[in-house]
Amino acid sequence: TQLLEQSPQFLSIQEGENLTVYCNSSSVFSSLQWYRQEPGEGPVLLVTVVTGGEVKKLKRLTFQFGDARKDSSLHITAAQPGDTGLYLCAGEVYGGSQGNLIFGKGTKLSVKP
Amino acid sequence: DTGVSQDPRHKITKRGQNVTFRCDPISEHNRLYWYRQTLGQGPEFLTYFQNEAQLEKSRLLSDRFSAERPKGSFSTLEIQRTEQGDSAMYLCASSRDRTEAFFGQGTRLTVV
Repeated sequence: TQLLEQSPQFLSIQEGENLTVYCNSSSVFSSLQWYRQEPGEGPVLLVTVVTGGEVKKLKRLTFQFGDARKDSSLHITAAQPGDTGLYLCAGEVYGGSQGNLIFGKGTKLSVKP
Repeated sequence: DTGVSQDPRHKITKRGQNVTFRCDPISEHNRLYWYRQTLGQGPEFLTYFQNEAQLEKSRLLSDRFSAERPKGSFSTLEIQRTEQGDSAMYLCASSRDRTEAFFGQGTRLTVV
């Protein structure tokens, strides 16, 4: 079973559209991180959320951590082709191993011009 | 320091051969992690070090895999008697204590 479920798995949209991707779990997380990964490269950290209900904005990207710290969402406004990539959420389970960052399978986003 | 550095970026090896990968973390980071990522999956945890101590190993890390971080700086991951199922991207990350982890560009291993 996947501890972190990401949805949708694939998303193909036109430039200028808005989108939301989700990261859900039945477990509570001490913190949750969002990464973006391009083919053949390592994940690049976008943001870390640590407080239930927290909202963070990074230009056109808005990240939200659920009140119960079990889920998170990433909303992109007016998507651009440069946003294309694999979006991964990763979390440290509350009370779990201190070194084990659990990853979801990712959402593969394609933004067409 | 420009970030986490991994070497080589790509490695093609024949089944049964041994391979070794190197990771140089961000200099002030005391934690170093190894992950494996196969196509269509997120990274899967293999092991992590705090300074030179290896504190946790995943079940994925069979006895053919060994990781070291002898001086608490760079780390090596060795795979002995490689199998085709070992083909994957091997990712290294580092962090200062339990803060955000930053990843290297990975080593793509292909076992033929």
